[in-house]
Order: sequence, then structure tokens, then C-alpha cells
Amino acid sequence: RKEVEQDPGPFNVPEGATVAFNCTYSNSASQSFFWYRQDCRKEPKLLMSVYSSGNEDGRFTAQLNRASQYISLLIRDSKLSDSATYLCVVRPLEGGFKTIFGAGTRLFVKA
Amino acid sequence: DAGITQSPRHKVTETGTPVTLRCHQTENHRYMYWYRQDPGHGLRLIHYSYGVKDTDKGEVSDGYSVSRSKTEDFLLTLESATSSQTSVYFCAISESGNQPQHFGDGTRLSIL
Repeated sequence: RKEVEQDPGPFNVPEGATVAFNCTYSNSASQSFFWYRQDCRKEPKLLMSVYSSGNEDGRFTAQLNRASQYISLLIRDSKLSDSATYLCVVRPLEGGFKTIFGAGTRLFVKA
Repeated sequence: DAGITQSPRHKVTETGTPVTLRCHQTENHRYMYWYRQDPGHGLRLIHYSYGVKDTDKGEVSDGYSVSRSKTEDFLLTLESATSSQTSVYFCAISESGNQPQHFGDGTRLSIL
């Protein structure tokens, strides 16, 4: 089992739709969680950190469920510019500065 | 955007040749990382550094070495490149081990 698993997609949604991605992780001692977005042939860019109480940044909402060991990302009112690959990132408590990246979920937002 | 510059941006070379990739940062961050990204895989950590001359191995370190003689520069060396090392290489930096990482533009390396 991979340490971090994501549905690769692609998710094809119309503009204005709400879309949600989940990411599961295997290490229950994981400490920090992040969502990154990566455009085609570009570097990953931090979208948001994920806090235990959940957090929101504009149209984006991130949730953490430690009991079930998953994090989620909700995008409301999707824009064409949201088309990208979304990477789930988990940092275990042990293992030094090891950071585990999921392989990503592709999102296509269509007009 | 974080001040991270990777060089070269693209490189094509032959099997068996040495290759060095450079990562330069202007943020004065203590932590620097080298990753490779391949289709179907997430980013995989090759090596990281937590200070000048302080480095450690990641999960895919075989065939790679690193050096950090200055805070701002982190070099990745492929001593004798193999075709399996064809990949996109990203450098990342972070202020501390727990802070999110910020990435450079990447280097596309092809080993023929």
C-alpha cells in the first residue's frame, strides 16, 4: 500500500461546479498536511496547509480526518484556471524531514 | 515567488557521463531538498540538507550525491548517469523542517 494515495482522475467538471478530492495516508503518526497544485510541466505550488480544525481560503476548503486518515480538498465555483493536478502532501512525525507526495489528481474544468 | 533558481533548465547527455545540477536560493532558508518526478509517481526525495555541509539521504538516493558548501547553493551530482535517471528534477526550500516547501522551476534531464 502506498503511503499516500490519491485518485488519479481525471475529474472533468463544468465551470461553476463544486468538486472534491480525497487523499488517504497510511501513517497514523503523520504530523503535517498540505495541498499543492501543479500545472502541466511546471513546479508544484503550495495551495494551502491543512489544519486539524479544517480551513478555508476563498473557494478552497481543506479538511483533515485523523480517525479515517484522510484529507480532503473542496473547490467551489470552479474556474477554468483551476485546471491542474492537485498533490496531497503528508509529513510523518518520525523519519526526520521526510515528506510524502501523492501522485496527484488531475482536474479539468471546461467552459 | 520564492527566489529559487535551478540550472540548467534542460540537459541531454549520454549514459556514463557525470552531471551536476545546481539549485540557488536567495531566501536564506536553512533547508533544501532535491526531488525527482516521474510519470505515475509522486515527487520522490533524493537528498536533503538541513544546513551548510549537513545533508542526508532520501528514499531514492542511490546513484546521486549532493553538496552544500554555502547556504544558498545545493548541488546534485549524478556520478555516472544512467537512462533510469532521466527525469524532471525539482529543488525545494523551506524555512524549517515543518514549514511547507517551495519549489524551483525544475530541470528536465534526459540520459541517452
